[in-house]
Amino acid sequence: DAGVIQSPRHEVTEMGQEVTLRCKPISGHDYLFWYRQTMMRGLELLIYFNNNVPIDDSGMPEDRFSAKMPNASFSTLKIQPSEPRDSAVYFCASSFRLDTGELFFGEGSRLTVL
Amino acid sequence: GDSVTQMEGPVTLSEEAFLTINCTYTATGYPSLFWYVQYPGEGLQLLLKATKADDKGSNKGFEATYRKETTSFHLEKGSVQVSDSAVYFCALSRGTYKYIFGTGTRLKVLA
Repeated sequence: DAGVIQSPRHEVTEMGQEVTLRCKPISGHDYLFWYRQTMMRGLELLIYFNNNVPIDDSGMPEDRFSAKMPNASFSTLKIQPSEPRDSAVYFCASSFRLDTGELFFGEGSRLTVL
Repeated sequence: GDSVTQMEGPVTLSEEAFLTINCTYTATGYPSLFWYVQYPGEGLQLLLKATKADDKGSNKGFEATYRKETTSFHLEKGSVQVSDSAVYFCALSRGTYKYIFGTGTRLKVLA
């Protein structure tokens, strides 16, 4: 089975532009997570979905960030407008059970905002 | 609140050397403990886990034992290879969606 698929792998954009990151979780995984990784703050949970429903978005830094999961096989993370401080690697992860603790991560989307 | 502390890197070793990466945690009760590994340009992947005290997780020659008395979960490998060069993350979970990750320890193995 394919793993978690993210796109794009790399995105370079200018400040003020809209950025959309995409994620396809592993089939059958009911739990989906968006994380952000930076040198300064490490790995931060942005938002968590259970059965396509956002459960906890308290990690979303500002209103400029939004995430959706229209169906079980697709999720997006949108930043509008983007700022240089949003530059980071964004990871999507999915899981089929929370009590086993195993998260399956995608390869990440490296975002650079100039 | 729950937290994970792991040794700062980078750790540089010669091939075939013994590896220890320290990890301690703060949590009430009995969380599950994990080591994840991140190879360059890739996402994190689970390396091993332990779900109760005194459990030993092992995989690919790596081992870690859940020590409740010292609240530790140190990662060890008897003989590292160049291919083990990566960033290693200690993490804990209470069985909810909130995973607490350490800051990561970069390992570099020289041939």
